[in-house]
Amino acid sequence: DAMVIQNPRYQVTQFGKPVTLSCSQTLNHNVMYWYQQKSSQAPKLLFHYYDKDFNNEADTPDNFQSRRPNTSFCFLDIRSPGLGDAAMYLCATSPRPAGEGADTQYFGPGTRLTVL
Amino acid sequence: GQNIDQPTEMTATEGAIVQINCTYQTSGFNGLFWYQQHAGEAPTFLSYNVLDGLEEKGRFSSFLSRSKGYSYLLLKELQMKDSASYLCAVTDSNYQLIWGAGTKLIIKP
Repeated sequence: DAMVIQNPRYQVTQFGKPVTLSCSQTLNHNVMYWYQQKSSQAPKLLFHYYDKDFNNEADTPDNFQSRRPNTSFCFLDIRSPGLGDAAMYLCATSPRPAGEGADTQYFGPGTRLTVL
Repeated sequence: GQNIDQPTEMTATEGAIVQINCTYQTSGFNGLFWYQQHAGEAPTFLSYNVLDGLEEKGRFSSFLSRSKGYSYLLLKELQMKDSASYLCAVTDSNYQLIWGAGTKLIIKP
């Protein structure tokens, strides 16, 4: 089945220790998104890629970086996690980029990050 | 600024009907989505409205009034598995998706 996969599902890291979350998709979608979601809050868009074009949201901290080496994979790097970065991190994909229509986003199961 | 408002929490009884409202103020409008999110899981797509009126999909229906900046999600014949958060999201004039914080729906037997 075509899908969005995130690994790991649960990640524990130490305060200040870099961590990388991964996302892969078999949908062959052009657009990939990373969201941060804290309990009972709306998902907050961190960045998105249209193909290899990177789009950073204005209020995404520099502590968060992303890489998309190919269509299928996308990584979220948190360079120095703080306690406030503990959250669910959601990867999503959509077929078309912004400006070409409103598309359903397909989400992976998420990675729950705990910072000790 | 851009804003999506939904009730924080609602409670309903198994077998009953519940309506979850969403109001929005955004810069432009290019469609409204409803997503379901079970605790600890990712959102899953339920419905998309871009024209005024009611879209029906089995037990779930979604309504849109663009002039009022208003939508609702109607769930019929409630089942225990419908206990989840329901997120309203609007695509603005730049095709950016603006999310509401979600409505937590609790179903009681």
